[in-house]
Amino acid sequence: SAVISQKPSRDICQRGTSLTIQCQVDSQVTMMFWYRQQPGQSLTLIATANQGSEATYESGFVIDKFPISRPNLTFSTLTVSNMSPEDSSIYLCSVAGLRDTEAFFGQGTRLTVV
Amino acid sequence: GENVEQHPSTLSVQEGDSAVIKCTYSDSASNYFPWYKQELGKGPQLIIDIRSNVGEKKDQRIAVTLNKTAKHFSLHITETQPEDSAVYFCAASRRGTGANNLFFGTGTRLTVIP
Repeated sequence: SAVISQKPSRDICQRGTSLTIQCQVDSQVTMMFWYRQQPGQSLTLIATANQGSEATYESGFVIDKFPISRPNLTFSTLTVSNMSPEDSSIYLCSVAGLRDTEAFFGQGTRLTVV
Repeated sequence: GENVEQHPSTLSVQEGDSAVIKCTYSDSASNYFPWYKQELGKGPQLIIDIRSNVGEKKDQRIAVTLNKTAKHFSLHITETQPEDSAVYFCAASRRGTGANNLFFGTGTRLTVIP
């Protein structure tokens, strides 16, 4: 299984600021995803991070609010922009192969916006 | 898109008893059904998965069954132990089509009482 490192593991941020979360994988992977898990809730897909091109966003999520980069096959970043208290959540990076392989998750970034 | 429902939302069992969690899905094209265990402060951990060409899969005390016709799948944990206490999520996706993102159920908080 892939080893996924997310940084930071947690942060407390002021409203109106932005936070960039990093996801590093120990091996090249085809697919990288970003999920949000609101307190006590399930996981919701934000976007698929595409290497060398713009991310693919799910309904309800936009690039201006959640810009994503993926410069290579082992690294991606998610930025939460112009934060408000409603953005307080756990943000999770996930990786998977293109065909018939499992999806693995990082430990998550617990974000609190005050 | 896919809609995954999960029941029950909470489940308490005595140590040594069995626990069953059930999920239904809506997209007949979904062909991959993983189960994740999430402990407090950690990311989801894959514990077992099943593909649509298989009806049942077992790994020690954990088993998963799939009924494609009825579009439901279940997680069975036998001889439960206190360390099984966690939140369990089912998920569904289409493997091998490039649409690898997972659609998650709402989670089941399992408590195993010593």
